Amino acid sequence: AQSVAQPEDQVKVAEGNPLTVKCTYSVSGNPYLFWYVQYPNRGLQFLLKYITGDNLVKGSYGFEAEFNKSQTSFHLKKPSALVSDSALYFCAVRDVVGYSTLTFGKGTMLLVSP
Amino acid sequence: EAGVAQSPRYKIIEKRQSVAFWCNPISGHATLYWYQQILGQGPKLLIQFQNNGVVDDSQLPKDRFSAERLKGVDSTLKIQPAKLEDSAVYLCASSLDGGEGYNEQFFGPGTRLTVL
Repeated sequence: AQSVAQPEDQVKVAEGNPLTVKCTYSVSGNPYLFWYVQYPNRGLQFLLKYITGDNLVKGSYGFEAEFNKSQTSFHLKKPSALVSDSALYFCAVRDVVGYSTLTFGKGTMLLVSP
Repeated sequence: EAGVAQSPRYKIIEKRQSVAFWCNPISGHATLYWYQQILGQGPKLLIQFQNNGVVDDSQLPKDRFSAERLKGVDSTLKIQPAKLEDSAVYLCASSLDGGEGYNEQFFGPGTRLTVL
């Protein structure tokens, strides 16, 4: 069975500092990996995805993520955080081989202080 | 491009009552998903449609939940009768996926259900 772990319930950073939100995954084969962001009282918004190719993926709002197959990780990063980045972030995975649905992590709340 | 539309945005009902949610996906999107998001958890897939056929409903509590997607476009999710533990946000999403699995999903704003 596939699974996603987001080990931190909350990440706090100061505006202007770099941020990292961690994600590790488990699938039988190779993964498709996604990051979504959820602002209060709104649905999830797609940030970026890894399908194949370059391990460093760039997405919306200056976010990027690095796929590391040996560590089964897909950490979300941003060089300089903004207060407006404060939101709930979800990592999700699905197996490339065969049919599987998308499995989400429990989410990490990012708090960026002024 | 219009996004995924859902209604109602909020619903409060008594336990054992019934409730229905409506979703209109992005035009041209073949696949439609219903998720349940309980506070403090990630979304959990309830049912996935491809066009108007069910692809996966393994986590749908079929004794009380039902869903349909008429003509491969709009969809409704129904709960009858509701239990206290059904209190959650119900998210609808759609994607271009025709089974490939790598297309991102676009989510609606959700319906917040409170069962008293």
